[in-house]
Formats: sequence, C-alpha cells, structure tokens
Amino acid sequence: GAGVSQSPSNKVTEKGKDVELRCDPISGHTALYWYRQRLGQGLEFLIYFQGNSAPDKSGLPSDRFSAERTGESVSTLTIQRTQQEDSAVYLCASSLEEGFTYEQYFGPGTRLTVT
Amino acid sequence: LAKTTQPISMDSYEGQEVNITCSHNNIATNDYITWYQQFPSQGPRFIIQGYKTKVTNEVASLFIPADRKSSTLSLPRVSLSDTAVYYCLVGDMGNDYKLSFGAGTTVTVRA
Repeated sequence: GAGVSQSPSNKVTEKGKDVELRCDPISGHTALYWYRQRLGQGLEFLIYFQGNSAPDKSGLPSDRFSAERTGESVSTLTIQRTQQEDSAVYLCASSLEEGFTYEQYFGPGTRLTVT
Repeated sequence: LAKTTQPISMDSYEGQEVNITCSHNNIATNDYITWYQQFPSQGPRFIIQGYKTKVTNEVASLFIPADRKSSTLSLPRVSLSDTAVYYCLVGDMGNDYKLSFGAGTTVTVRA
C-alpha cells in the first residue's frame, strides 16, 4: 500500500516568509509525528498527534512553529516568519498506534532552505 | 528515554558481516531496543526490535545479552546498498512514543 507522503519535497523561501509543509500518513494510522533533521545530525522530535489531538508539543522550537491534523489524516506543519536556522529536512512519520513498540513509518521529508 | 552510545562510523567490504554494538547502561525493565536505518535523502526505516536474547528477520539479527546493557545489530554479508546510518534507540513500550535519535553509526561498505 501507499506509504507516508510529504509535500513539497523541496522548498526554498526567503527569510521572514511563512511556509506550510504537508504530511499524508498511512491510512488508518492514528499516531503522527513530526521531526526535524539538520545536516549531518540525528532527528529532533517536534510534535506528536494522537488522532487530531496533539498531546505533546514540547519539541516545537518556538511559537513560530505550529501544526494541525484534520480528519485523523493529513497534517500540516506551519512555520511563520522563517529564519535561516529553520533550514533543515522536516520528516513526518506515522504509526498504527502510539507507543515505542509500534513501528514508525517515515516519509521522504521536505527539505526547507531559508535564504 | 535511556541514553545510548554507539560508534560514530564503521567501514566494511562487500560480503562481510557488520556488527554494530550499542551501549545502554541505564535501560529499564519495560524498555525495548529498536534499530532504524537511514539512507541519504530518505527518512529512517525500521530494521528490527527486541527485548532480550536474539531476534532475527530477513534483514538483520539483534543480539541482546542477559543484562541488556548493550545490544549488537548484525548485518550479514553486506552489499554496497547497505551503506547508511544506523540508529540504536531504547524506549518504554508503554510510555515512550517519540523516538530519540542520536548521531547514529555511519556504515560505509566498499567494493
């Protein structure tokens, strides 16, 4: 079946502009996660959704970052007034249920470059 | 989440077995051990998960000693396409949902 998809695959934006990143999880997966990966580094957790609720937003770096999920499906990560330090690959993952033992399926990521 | 330590990099040649050892000295009773693989420009991919002793699937084997303070991922007969970053993660089966990825181990397979 279809895996996790993300769009756009690449986004170049000017400093100060807003961007929206989209994630389409695997159908039926209740848990959805956003991570950020800077060049040459491991993944950094941003936010987690169980259904349409986000019980853990602790990883969002600042109030310029927000995310929502609708219909227990698509999720959008929005970054307002982008800064150069926001440049990274943003990865979305989904799993059947929440919990460490449930495999997380990752999308290909959105590479964001802020100039 | 238990802290893990693994080598930064490893080199190997095609056809060899690659063993990556991960230390997790403060692993808790309810913690599981999971390994992910990440190719360049792709998201991570689940490889294997275990709690104790040995787990084997079509891709790899995971060896966990009785004290569970370390684990070894074994990749049999690697090929060039196994060049990737391998991440060791430890988490509570009931309470942990976000994955904590360190720098991982970069495995380079040469011809």
